[in-house]
Amino acid sequence: DGGITQSPKYLFRKEGQNVTLSCEQNLNHDAMYWYRQDPGQGLRLIYYSQIVNDFQKGDIAEGYSVSREKKESFPLTVTSAQKNPTAFYLCATKGQGYSYEQYFGPGTRLTVT
Amino acid sequence: GEDVEQSLFLSVREGDSSVINCTYTDSSSTYLYWYKQEPGAGLQLLTYIFSNMDMKQDQRLTVLLNKKDKHLSLRIADTQTGDSAIYFCAESETGANNLFFGTGTRLTVIP
Repeated sequence: DGGITQSPKYLFRKEGQNVTLSCEQNLNHDAMYWYRQDPGQGLRLIYYSQIVNDFQKGDIAEGYSVSREKKESFPLTVTSAQKNPTAFYLCATKGQGYSYEQYFGPGTRLTVT
Repeated sequence: GEDVEQSLFLSVREGDSSVINCTYTDSSSTYLYWYKQEPGAGLQLLTYIFSNMDMKQDQRLTVLLNKKDKHLSLRIADTQTGDSAIYFCAESETGANNLFFGTGTRLTVIP
């Protein structure tokens, strides 16, 4: 069953703690993306990776970090430096070919108190 | 930078047509997309259109593109309660790594 897995669906953390969100894919896609979604603001790009061992900052990378050690996995760490971390986080992949269609995971809702 | 704008809310009665509008500023846009997000879920691609097309129809969905005015619309015929969701417009350029998303329009279908 091909797809993108994000776990857990809901995550709760205390302020000041780092937290890592998981994203795994078995679509054999090279490119992977992390977005943050806030009400009324659409999706904003945090980080993306075009290939293993390489990643680029998106529009709102401050307070976040990523790694891309394997093609299948692109974990996102929300650090204590992120001022407003409570949000819905979406992972996406992009297939090969001419189309720029992105495929999305089910998302993780992070609540920091 | 790229700017993609949508109205935040739309309400329609079941069985009516819905029209969701989107404007964008980037004249280099090559592909324009409509994504659907159901509550608490990820985004699902509904349809997309190349910038050299004016219209694309897919069952109940019709996409219209006015490239001169940089205006994109999604028409849903015979809207059903299952169509209630947030609809995102997005655009990308040839060779670009990313999609740029609008704010999303929350469609509410009234039975």
